[in-house]
Amino acid sequence: GEDVEQSLFLSVREGDSSVINCTYTDSSSTYLYWYKQEPGAGLQLLTYIFSNMDMKQDQRLTVLLNKKDKHLSLRIADTQTGDSAIYFCAESMDSSYKLIFGSGTRLLVRP
Amino acid sequence: DAGVTQSPTHLIKTRGQQVTLRCSPKSGHDTVSWYQQALGQGPQFIFQYYEEEERQRGNFPDRFSGHQFPNYSSELNVNALLLGDSALYLCASSLVGPVRVSTEAFFGQGTRLTVV
Repeated sequence: GEDVEQSLFLSVREGDSSVINCTYTDSSSTYLYWYKQEPGAGLQLLTYIFSNMDMKQDQRLTVLLNKKDKHLSLRIADTQTGDSAIYFCAESMDSSYKLIFGSGTRLLVRP
Repeated sequence: DAGVTQSPTHLIKTRGQQVTLRCSPKSGHDTVSWYQQALGQGPQFIFQYYEEEERQRGNFPDRFSGHQFPNYSSELNVNALLLGDSALYLCASSLVGPVRVSTEAFFGQGTRLTVV
């Protein structure tokens, strides 16, 4: 079946690193995504990783994929107050296929 | 580039009524997907339109229907509204094209539907 799970809430201090975790069940998932949603806004794609990759780094963002355990994580280095938002993990079988989203992790960055 | 635009931004309807939501895709995009996001939840896939046809459909009843126009814009229609249909409805567009490899999906700001 298709299911994506995330922890609900994470609180970090400004300047620290944040790590948001996600597990998925569909082993046929080819693309795994991280989206950011700020209050009253739509979804912004932060980064994505192909299932044949273990890691992807993009400026302050690092995505780690453990395909054996179906575990995906997003690390945000030097977290800023502007990073406070809800972060969604999503999976897809191919690039044009539907996205299956988790319930989101609310990140709160304390000054 | 205006990106993905949705209208209206907010809407209040009475149970049993019908509603139409509209989406204009990002310039150059040919595929539109619709998602329902209930409060505190992640978006749930409703359906996707490409070349004016429904390509994929999620687990939503037939009360949810859609349409894509020749200019790639799209409508989502919901009949016989229920209180549980209250949600943020998100439209996403992408370019699939003939080789069927999609670009990044861009999301609109959504339409907040409240059913009373």
